[in-house]
Amino acid sequence: EAGVTQFPSHSVIEKGQTVTLRCDPISGHDNLYWYRRVMGKEIKFLLHFVKESKQDESGMPNNRFLAERTGGTYSTLKVQPAELEDSGVYFCASSQGLHYEQYFGPGTRLTVT
Amino acid sequence: AQSVAQPEDQVNVAEGNPLTVKCTYSVSGNPYLFWYVQYPNRGLQFLLKYITGDNLVKGSYGFEAEFNKSQTSFHLKKPSALVSDSALYFCAVRDMWGASKLTFGTGTRLQVTL
Repeated sequence: EAGVTQFPSHSVIEKGQTVTLRCDPISGHDNLYWYRRVMGKEIKFLLHFVKESKQDESGMPNNRFLAERTGGTYSTLKVQPAELEDSGVYFCASSQGLHYEQYFGPGTRLTVT
Repeated sequence: AQSVAQPEDQVNVAEGNPLTVKCTYSVSGNPYLFWYVQYPNRGLQFLLKYITGDNLVKGSYGFEAEFNKSQTSFHLKKPSALVSDSALYFCAVRDMWGASKLTFGTGTRLQVTL
């Protein structure tokens, strides 16, 4: 069974540019989560999809971040325009239910210069 | 609000010795507790979880963790460390009946030497 995949693995962009991160969850997992780890600190929750619906977006830092999950399969996280403080590692995770463990992807390392 | 504390940035242990990575948590309701490991250039890998039941939970690669409700702790343990266990370990918590988002600690780097 394929795990959670994320693309790209690494992105370097300039301040003010736009970046789109993609996550493909494990097949059949309705729950999809985005997290990020900034500057070696703790991993922080961004948002949670159940199928195509946003269940919880309390962790989204501001309106420069837009997440979508059209069709309830893969998800994208767009940062527009990117700021220096957006640099970090963005993780995606999926689970088969609300009371199951979350399986994480390898992460996308975003560097904003 | 829920929180996790991992008081040690790094733990050093010799191969063959037992290891403990500490974690304490705070959550309003009953906790779900998790340990994840991150090897270099890899994603987070699920190790084990506590949901309910036996306080000693066994997981992958010989790791186990002990849930202690009175001390609100969930320390990760292994009887005999391997050099290949060297990695970054994260403890996480969520409220059993609350939102399913995980709250993580800052991580503990485990260094196992020969």
